[in-house]
Amino acid sequence: AQKVTQAQTEISVVEKEDVTLDCVYETRDTTYYLFWYKQPPSGELVFLIRRNSFDEQNEISGRYSWNFQKSTSSFNFTITASQVVDSAVYFCALKMRFGAGTRLTVKP
Amino acid sequence: DAGVTQSPTHLIKTRGQQVTLRCSPKSGHDTVSWYQQALGQGPQFIFQYYEEEERQRGNFPDRFSGHQFPNYSSELNVNALLLGDSALYLCASSLFTRRDLLSTDTQYFGPGTRLTVL
Repeated sequence: AQKVTQAQTEISVVEKEDVTLDCVYETRDTTYYLFWYKQPPSGELVFLIRRNSFDEQNEISGRYSWNFQKSTSSFNFTITASQVVDSAVYFCALKMRFGAGTRLTVKP
Repeated sequence: DAGVTQSPTHLIKTRGQQVTLRCSPKSGHDTVSWYQQALGQGPQFIFQYYEEEERQRGNFPDRFSGHQFPNYSSELNVNALLLGDSALYLCASSLFTRRDLLSTDTQYFGPGTRLTVL
């Protein structure tokens, strides 16, 4: 069985703070893909990143960075110097299995 | 480049009725997946269509059925609506890559259809 756990239900930070969203997964597959999506108040899920289990290199894209650690089954997402526009619900996903999401609120 | 489109945007039905939701995939995509997202929860996978056939299915009853057309667009049908079917229904499209037998190509989501069952 596959499972994705996002233990942080809600996080609130002040603009310009760094914030890390945690994601822990369970799978028996030896090869798999992990994803992060952003869901702003408008409701549409926006794809952020896809990572395959072969590649444990950290990825950085602007203010976003991802830390994939197969040994701990974690795929954490960090936003550096957060902005109000980052306020949204963020979902981690393993194939078609989504976590419950973390609601991030960035206050000015 | 048209993204994923869904219709209608909102829908209100009563218990016992039937509903049909529609989805057009992103240009160049051939696979459509449907998800149900209840308020405050993550999306739950309903099923996936490729080559006009249901390829994968989540833990949803037979009241939920679908169809994919030759132009890759898709419909989700829900019969005998229950109050608990009230949710945001999301359609996602992807391009099935035969080299990637994991079938986990990146999915791009539409804006969703908000279904309210009274």
